[in-house]
Amino acid sequence: QLQLQESGPGLVKPSETLSLTCTVSGGSISSTSYYWGWIRQPPGKGLEWIGSIYYSGSTYYKPSLKSRATISVDTSKNQFSLKLSSVTAADTAVYYCARRAYSSNWWFDYWGQGTLVTVSS
Amino acid sequence: EIVLTQSPATLSLSPGERATLSCRASQSVSSYLGWYQQKPGQAPRLLIYDASNRATGIPARFSGSGSGTDFTLTISSLEPEDFAVYYCQQRSNWPWTFGQGTKVEIK
Repeated sequence: QLQLQESGPGLVKPSETLSLTCTVSGGSISSTSYYWGWIRQPPGKGLEWIGSIYYSGSTYYKPSLKSRATISVDTSKNQFSLKLSSVTAADTAVYYCARRAYSSNWWFDYWGQGTLVTVSS
Repeated sequence: EIVLTQSPATLSLSPGERATLSCRASQSVSSYLGWYQQKPGQAPRLLIYDASNRATGIPARFSGSGSGTDFTLTISSLEPEDFAVYYCQQRSNWPWTFGQGTKVEIK
C-alpha cells in the first residue's frame, strides 16, 4: 500500500525558508508512471497547487510561486522536497504531498496526511 | 489562470437524498476535470477524474458529467459518510486550479 508522509518544521519565521520533505513508502519514486506534487490549504480555505516534479528532476510550478518555490527529488531516499523562501503569514497552511499516476490518467490519486506549517515570529 | 466556480457553497440535505454539485470553468477545460472529497482533518480523496470516470474503490453512487465549462458531480443517495466538502480541479491548463469547494451538510 503506497504511503506518503510529510515532515518538517511546524513553525517558520517570516522572511525565512519553509522546508518540507515527503517520504514515499510502498512504491518507487523513480517509476516512469508517476509524478509527484505539493498542494497547500490555508486554514479554513481551499486547495492550491504549488508544483510538481518527475523522478528525472523536471519541475512545474504555479507561476505566482515560481520565484520562491523549489521542488527537488532524492531517488536514493525515495523522497521529494519543497522549499519556499521569503515566507509570510499568507504561507501558513496545511501542506500536502501527493502522487499523480498514469493509472488514474495523471490525477492526484494518493495524498499524504498533510502537515500544518505556521509562519509567525 | 482558469477559475473554477463551484455552486452552491453549501448544500443541506438528508441521508438518502440526491446531491447535485456544480463546477463551472472560466474557459474550456475539455474533459480534464476531477472531483475530490475532503473530510475534516483529512487529505482530499480523488472521486472522479476526466469528468466522468470513477477512481479506484469509489462507490457507484458517485457520478460525474459534463465537458467544456460546465460539470456536475452527483451523489445518487447520500450515505452518512458522504457529508464532507467537495472540490473540483482542472488539469487542462497550467497552473492547475481548484474550485473553492461545496460543503454537503446534514439537514
